[in-house]
Amino acid sequence: DAGVIQSPRHEVTEMGQEVTLRCKPISGHNSLFWYRQTMMRGLELLIYFNNNVPIDDSGMPEDRFSAKMPNASFSTLKIQPSEPRDSAVYFCASSLGGSGAQPQHFGDGTRLSIL
Amino acid sequence: QKEVEQDPGPLSVPEGAIVSLNCTYSNSAFQYFMWYRQYSRKGPELLMYTYSSGNKEDGRFTAQVDKSSKYISLFIRDSQPSDSATYLCAMSAPYNTDKLIFGTGTRLQVFP
Repeated sequence: DAGVIQSPRHEVTEMGQEVTLRCKPISGHNSLFWYRQTMMRGLELLIYFNNNVPIDDSGMPEDRFSAKMPNASFSTLKIQPSEPRDSAVYFCASSLGGSGAQPQHFGDGTRLSIL
Repeated sequence: QKEVEQDPGPLSVPEGAIVSLNCTYSNSAFQYFMWYRQYSRKGPELLMYTYSSGNKEDGRFTAQVDKSSKYISLFIRDSQPSDSATYLCAMSAPYNTDKLIFGTGTRLQVFP
């Protein structure tokens, strides 16, 4: 069974460039989460979707960040324009809906470096 | 004050040792508690999941929840070098079960 798939695995780009991160959740999961992980701040929730609808984007740092989920099998996180302080590992996770807290299944992340 | 506090470590132990990893939290509404393990350059993977108070055992791993003290623990018996990873606690409340609040993680090193 395929897990959460993220692409690219690594991205190195110059400040000011647009960056697009992609995620394919586990088939049948109806919640999708975008996280950012840094040494200083740990794992931070940026935004999450339920049934393709954004539910909570309070963690999105600023207007330079945007996320979309056009269908149940694909989501993007876009940064435009990128800045060096955006350098981090970005994770996508998905989970089943239903009662109680459902475990989230993570992809292996995109390691982003902004020069 | 962060909602979930976790000692970042690193914690270095010899193979075979019993390891205790801990988190404290401030939100008394938390009822769902999880432990994730994260290997270097990989995503976190679920290790243990408990609801409310009590203990749960799975092989060499035991998760404990003490809601009265707002304290959770993960014990690893007979630790192995393959247990070397970062361990993150996570928890959520019934009013928003989708939103997991993570600790910052404890880095564990088990040396042969």
